[in-house]
Amino acid sequence: EPEVTQTPSHQVTQMGQEVILRCVPISNHLYFYWYRQILGQKVEFLVSFYNNEISEKSEIFDDQFSVERPDGSNFTLKIRSTKLEDSAMYFCASSDSGAPARDFGPGTRLLVL
Amino acid sequence: QKEVEQNSGPLSVPEGAIASLNCTYSDRGSQSFFWYRQYSGKSPELIMFIYSNGDKEDGRFTAQLNKASQYVSLLIRDSQPSDSATYLCAVKGVDSSYKLIFGSGTRLLVRP
Repeated sequence: EPEVTQTPSHQVTQMGQEVILRCVPISNHLYFYWYRQILGQKVEFLVSFYNNEISEKSEIFDDQFSVERPDGSNFTLKIRSTKLEDSAMYFCASSDSGAPARDFGPGTRLLVL
Repeated sequence: QKEVEQNSGPLSVPEGAIASLNCTYSDRGSQSFFWYRQYSGKSPELIMFIYSNGDKEDGRFTAQLNKASQYVSLLIRDSQPSDSATYLCAVKGVDSSYKLIFGSGTRLLVRP
């Protein structure tokens, strides 16, 4: 069964550093998403990406965040200058059509010190 | 502010019983509703979605939607200990094609 994969599984960084979270969506999926979940809180939408451009973003997704699909398989989330409050589990998800965020990856746990 | 509300639980049911999980939403125009299961420390896993009023069945799971009451529920028949998890209700934003608004989830415990 195809799966969404994410690397790394854990990332520890210092406040102010840049991080790049990587995702490989399911190969025939066209819609890609990033969500995050702060420990003990709700899953929150960050951004959706379709046809090589951002289709929608939330108020959380400010100028410190960017997404890219650098090749035909990877989908990345960059946080330019991390803050303490960026500490969370970051989930990548993808869909072929229909249900948004049909398949979630296992997540990257980001800890900003 | 668009909200999706769920009782945090835990909801405790004996093995073999029916578990009933409830969710209300604030945006009356919402059209698409989703249930995810999330085991502790893991990612959400889509169980099913429902768009129309009424019931939709998939195996042991039944989703029920009542748009007039802004209420969606998930029934799990013949609950198993492996069903013990947090169940997340999510609603697609009315003014959105892609964004899901999640509830905080209901923790279900199925007692052997």
